[in-house]
Amino acid sequence: GAVVSQHPSRVICKSGTSVKIECRSLDFQATTMFWYRQFPKQSLMLMATSNEGSKATYEQGVEKDKFLINHASLTLSTLTVTSAHPEDSSFYICSARSQLNYNEQFFGPGTRLTVL
Amino acid sequence: AQTVTQSQPEMSVQEAETVTLSCTYDTSESDYYLFWYKQPPSRQMILVIRQEAYKQQNATENRFSVNFQKAAKSFSLKISDSQLGDAAMYFCAYRSARSAGTALIFGKGTTLSVSS
Repeated sequence: GAVVSQHPSRVICKSGTSVKIECRSLDFQATTMFWYRQFPKQSLMLMATSNEGSKATYEQGVEKDKFLINHASLTLSTLTVTSAHPEDSSFYICSARSQLNYNEQFFGPGTRLTVL
Repeated sequence: AQTVTQSQPEMSVQEAETVTLSCTYDTSESDYYLFWYKQPPSRQMILVIRQEAYKQQNATENRFSVNFQKAAKSFSLKISDSQLGDAAMYFCAYRSARSAGTALIFGKGTTLSVSS
């Protein structure tokens, strides 16, 4: 099946710094990528939807200036958490939908962010 | 807006037995997709089964089957011959068929434990 990678898998940063998380579709082109946030033992909450070459669409309550999403190519989307604070600590998961078969959606392994 | 409800936060089953996880959803749309995802301790999301709303026949994947009741907006997952490896968090998800860019909407999840 199709593979989605995320990098880094874990990151620890100091409060006030920015962190970039990469999401790559390794063997397919993804017109649409999604970013989710998951707290321990909770569900996945959609943060934003990004389409290649256009601005991301953010869900209500998600600060677009804090969570910068760039989808510069059909295989790469990045999420940058700017001026991170401890409350931003969470598990971030990206997901990509195939350009050829949009019924298929593939998930990355997630990135655990800890802000000290 | 569409919502997905999983009313069982936790379920348990013995090896080789059968367990059913419940899911209900609310939508005004007639064309959509429903999914069950498994999230093991690794936190990698794994697609278990998918159902297209226009199909009356219930989807089946080996030991996993669904009971799709469109009028009742119910979509339960039955796991037969449970195995230790089935222990995970299970999420029911909905996706509109309105366009290729619509995101998955997840329920809160059910944690399944399997005992030997």
